[in-house]
Amino acid sequence: DQQVKQNSPSLSVQEGRISILNCDYTNSMFDYFLWYKKYPAEGPTFLISISSIKDKNEDGRFTVFLNKSAKHLSLHIVPSQPGDSAVYFCAATDLFMIYNQGGKLIFGQGTELSVKP
Amino acid sequence: DTGVSQDPRHKITKRGQNVTFRCDPISEHNRLYWYRQTLGQGPEFLTYFQNEAQLEKSRLLSDRFSAERPKGSFSTLEIQRTEQGDSAMYLCASSPEINRDGNTGELFFGEGSRLTVL
Repeated sequence: DQQVKQNSPSLSVQEGRISILNCDYTNSMFDYFLWYKKYPAEGPTFLISISSIKDKNEDGRFTVFLNKSAKHLSLHIVPSQPGDSAVYFCAATDLFMIYNQGGKLIFGQGTELSVKP
Repeated sequence: DTGVSQDPRHKITKRGQNVTFRCDPISEHNRLYWYRQTLGQGPEFLTYFQNEAQLEKSRLLSDRFSAERPKGSFSTLEIQRTEQGDSAMYLCASSPEINRDGNTGELFFGEGSRLTVL
């Protein structure tokens, strides 16, 4: 059972435009969400996170939006740059697990973003 | 470099052989995770250590897989009698209890060990 889903395997945008990457989850226990970026031959690196007590979190060009009722989150990158080209993974967990049981992350399948110059 | 390091980066083996991967986490991190990633998929959780205690194992971790973290520092992941279906990237990650920025949940990944079983 895929608890975290990224239904778009790939996305192509023009440099300077907005990139929107989407993620859906099914487990209502999830209350903490993260986005990771992965370049080829490297491990995933943390990008931004959001707790379920918020519906938006910003960090520079990156903004994550959370819609709890729809069990949906999205990552907005504005403006997109060629260096943003990578695979983006959405991940979810719950804070009880983080504090008490180690907080393993459940990942989506990833979306490959290509930003064209 | 004080990040998570994994060795070897790439291992090619014949079916039926045993392989072992090593992970050195960030030194002050007491939590260590192993994940597996196959083509077109996200990382899948395999197992988790808090210090030297293995606290959780995924059902993906068959009897042929064993992980250890004997002194609560580095960890090893051994796969016995490898099968072609074991071909994947094996990722190690570590985290503090709560990281210094006050954010929780972030895992710091190594670059992975790619296994190819012929």
